[in-house]
Amino acid sequence: AQSVAQPEDQVNVAEGNPLTVKCTYSVSGNPYLFWYVQYPNRGLQFLLKYITGDNLVKGSYGFEAEFNKSQTSFHLKKPSALVSDSALYFCAVGTDSWGKLQFGAGTQVVVTP
Amino acid sequence: GAVVSQHPSRVICKSGTSVKIECRSLDFQATTMFWYRQFPKQSLMLMATSNEGSKATYEQGVEKDKFLINHASLTLSTLTVTSAHPEDSSFYICSARDPQGSDGYTFGSGTRLTVV
Repeated sequence: AQSVAQPEDQVNVAEGNPLTVKCTYSVSGNPYLFWYVQYPNRGLQFLLKYITGDNLVKGSYGFEAEFNKSQTSFHLKKPSALVSDSALYFCAVGTDSWGKLQFGAGTQVVVTP
Repeated sequence: GAVVSQHPSRVICKSGTSVKIECRSLDFQATTMFWYRQFPKQSLMLMATSNEGSKATYEQGVEKDKFLINHASLTLSTLTVTSAHPEDSSFYICSARDPQGSDGYTFGSGTRLTVV
């Protein structure tokens, strides 16, 4: 069974400050890890994924995430947040069978000017 | 990149009627599609996995007779909400598995269903 935990319901950050959204996972086998962003009444936009290779993954819109196997974490980061980054962020985990994804509960990011 | 087109984007229907939601993969063959339901400010709940040419696999607690899924071709999967009730009002999102694509999974833009 696979599971994902996003411990923070909401993250508040001032524009220009670093943004971190936390994610930990549990999966049997090798994890496939994903980050998505969702704006109101919209589908999910892909930010980045980790399948294999470098633990530091760079994605869209200046976001990056670091795969930490020992801590089973995949935290999303952005060095300098923008007001337009305010949205709902989801972490998801799958496996190398490319089956169903398990999503975290989501973290609402609020960036204030 | 890969695109999944989902229609309609929003629909209002009367209680007791049926509504069909379509998801099409525009530039790749989607052998597997996933259907999710999302309540306001909540996570995505997987409803079912559909494989082209075979019956969908439903998650526990999802009524297969109420949420009919058809995946008759490699580019089209449909979800029909039958005999809709107000409690079926929700945001429905489809996703196609695309391991060869840069994203791995491609999501539709979602359908806001309101049953009145």
